[in-house]
Amino acid sequence: LAKTTQPISMDSYEGQEVNITCSHNNIATNDYITWYQQFPSQGPRFIIQGYKTKVTNEVASLFIPADRKSSTLSLPRVSLSDTAVYYCLSLDTGGFKTIFGAGTRLFVKA
Amino acid sequence: KAGVTQTPRYLIKTRGQQVTLSCSPISGHRSVSWYQQTPGQGLQFLFEYFSETQRNKGNFPGRFSGRQFSNSRSEMNVSTLELGDSALYLCASSLGPEGSSVNEKLFFGSGTQLSVL
Repeated sequence: LAKTTQPISMDSYEGQEVNITCSHNNIATNDYITWYQQFPSQGPRFIIQGYKTKVTNEVASLFIPADRKSSTLSLPRVSLSDTAVYYCLSLDTGGFKTIFGAGTRLFVKA
Repeated sequence: KAGVTQTPRYLIKTRGQQVTLSCSPISGHRSVSWYQQTPGQGLQFLFEYFSETQRNKGNFPGRFSGRQFSNSRSEMNVSTLELGDSALYLCASSLGPEGSSVNEKLFFGSGTQLSVL
C-alpha cells in the first residue's frame, strides 16, 4: 500500500513562499503525484499534478526529484485565503482507490 | 458546466435509522467515488463506481453500500446508523477510464453533513 507522509501543520505569514514536502517512498512507476486543497466544510479541490521534475500552474509549483520518493508543493506569496488543508495523494496499488493522507494544515497569518 | 452536486446538504438522523445520500457527477464523468470525513479519521475512502460497477471498496462495514445508475448518478446508503457515522460525506467524480484513478483529476462536491443523534 503506497502511503504518503506530510507535516501535520505549518504556519506562515502573508506574502511569504510556503513549501510543503510529501514523502511517498512506495510510489508506483505509473503514478503521478497529485495535490489537493481543502477549505472547511467543502470538498477538496485539485491544485496540481506532476510526474517528474517541475510543474507550474497559476496557483502553485510542484518539484519532484529524480527518484520520485518525495515531492514539494510550493505556494508563492501566500495570502490569508490560502489557509487550508493540503493533501498529497497516492494510489492503493491493489486497485482504483485514491488514498488521502492526513494532510498539512497551513495557517497563514497577517 | 455544472459541478458535482450532492443532496441533501445537511441531514439529521437518529441511531438505528437508515439514510440515502445522492451524488450527481459532472456531465460526461463516469466514475464516482465516495469518502467519509471526520475530524479524527480524516478523509477515508468508501467505494468507487465506474459504469455502474463497484471497482473497489474501502474498509467499512457492510452497513455502508452504494450504487451507480446508467446516467452515472450515484447513491450511498447507510443502514442502522450509529453515532460514529456522523461525518461529512463527500462524493467525487472523474472521467474514469480503465486504469489508475490517482492520475485522474477528482472533482468533489460540497458534501452532505450527516449528524446522528
